[in-house]
Amino acid sequence: AQSVTQPDIHITVSEGASLELRCNYSYGATPYLFWYVQSPGQGLQLLLKYFSGDTLVQGIKGFEAEFKRSQSSFNLRKPSVHWSDAAEYFCAVEGAGSYQLTFGKGTKLSVIP
Amino acid sequence: GAVVSQHPSRVICKSGTSVKIECRSLDFQATTMFWYRQFPKQSLMLMATSNEGSKATYEQGVEKDKFLINHASLTLSTLTVTSAHPEDSSFYICSARSVGPTKETQYFGPGTRLLVL
Repeated sequence: AQSVTQPDIHITVSEGASLELRCNYSYGATPYLFWYVQSPGQGLQLLLKYFSGDTLVQGIKGFEAEFKRSQSSFNLRKPSVHWSDAAEYFCAVEGAGSYQLTFGKGTKLSVIP
Repeated sequence: GAVVSQHPSRVICKSGTSVKIECRSLDFQATTMFWYRQFPKQSLMLMATSNEGSKATYEQGVEKDKFLINHASLTLSTLTVTSAHPEDSSFYICSARSVGPTKETQYFGPGTRLLVL
């Protein structure tokens, strides 16, 4: 069975600082990987996804993520955080052909002005 | 593109009543829709997978007679919480998977907050 671990429950960064949110997955083959963002009381917005090819994926809002097979990781990065980035971030994995997403527990990002 | 709506966004009901939540894909067709439940400060837990024109597949521990799912068209799925009780209070989120070029991606609705008194 596939699983996702987000080691950091809560991260606080200063506005303008760089950000890295960690995600580790467990899956037997090459997974489909996603990062979603959720603002309070809202649904999930897709930031970026990885299916195959270039392991560095660019997403919306200036986010990027790198797939590292050797480390079973798909960490999310942003070079300069904005106050509007404060939200909950979820990493998710889908086994190829399974059509089902498994989510990590999420990382809450707080941004200090 | 790829917009998913949910209605209602919030609902308060008395214990014992039934509540219907609609999930619509507005600008694409979705053969598969998913229903999730999210408790406060927790992750999304998949409840069931809904395929157009067939019975939904429920995850282990989810009562299919309590959470009725209907996927009557390629743009609409409904979740009915029957005889709701306070412990059913939660945030329910649907997602839809398109049949087009981005079929590997799920697009999420804005969620429905259910409070059972």
